[in-house]
Amino acid sequence: AQTVTQSQPEMSVQEAETVTLSCTYDTSESNYYLFWYKQPPSRQMILVIRQEAYKQQNATENRFSVNFQKAAKSFSLKISDSQLGDTAMYFCAFMISGGSNYKLTFGKGTLLTVNP
Amino acid sequence: DTGVSQDPRHKITKRGQNVTFRCDPISEHNRLYWYRQTLGQGPEFLTYFQNEAQLEKSRLLSDRFSAERPKGSFSTLEIQRTEQGDSAMYLCASSRTTSGTKYEQFFGPGTRLTVL
Repeated sequence: AQTVTQSQPEMSVQEAETVTLSCTYDTSESNYYLFWYKQPPSRQMILVIRQEAYKQQNATENRFSVNFQKAAKSFSLKISDSQLGDTAMYFCAFMISGGSNYKLTFGKGTLLTVNP
Repeated sequence: DTGVSQDPRHKITKRGQNVTFRCDPISEHNRLYWYRQTLGQGPEFLTYFQNEAQLEKSRLLSDRFSAERPKGSFSTLEIQRTEQGDSAMYLCASSRTTSGTKYEQFFGPGTRLTVL
C-alpha cells in the first residue's frame, strides 16, 4: 500500500516571498505519478502540478515548481512570488501508473496562508 | 461552465436516514471516482467507475454504501442508515482515458454531509 506524508499541517508566508511545502511518500512501485492539488477555502480542488516518476527533470508551472528526489521518496512544492490567492489547503497525492485504477492517495494536507 | 457538478452541496440528515448524492462528470470523461474527506484529512478513495462498470471499491465502503453509474454518465452515491461517523465531504472526480491527460482528475465542489 502507498502512503503519503505531509509533515507541515500549517504554514504561512508573506506576499511576494517564496515558500516550500514538504511531502514524502512510501511505495514499492517503480512507475507512478505525483501531484500537488490546491483546495481554496470553500472551493473545489484543482491540480497545481504533476510529476512523472520516470522523468528526472523537475516539473514547473509558472510560479510553482517541484523538487522530486526519487531515491529519498520526497516531493516538495515551491511557490515563488506568493500571492494572496495562493491561500489554500495543499495536498500531495500519489498515483500508480500503468495500472487499471488511477486512484489518488492523498496526504493530510498543508494549510498555507499568504499574508499581505 | 462544463466542470464536474455535484448535488446537493449540503445535506443535513438525522441518524438512521438514507441519503443520495449525485455527480455529473465532464461529458467526455469515462472515468468517475468518489472520495470522502473528513475534517483535517486528505480525501480517501471510495470507489471508481469506468463507463458504467464499478471496477474497484475501497474497504471504507461498507455495505451501507452503494454507488451506481447507469449508462456511464452521472453517478449516484447512496448511504443507508446513516451514522454520525458518515459526516464528511463527499467528492466526485472524473478523468478521461486519452493518453497524456488520463492522469488528471477534475474534482467537483463536493457534497457536505452532516449526520445529527
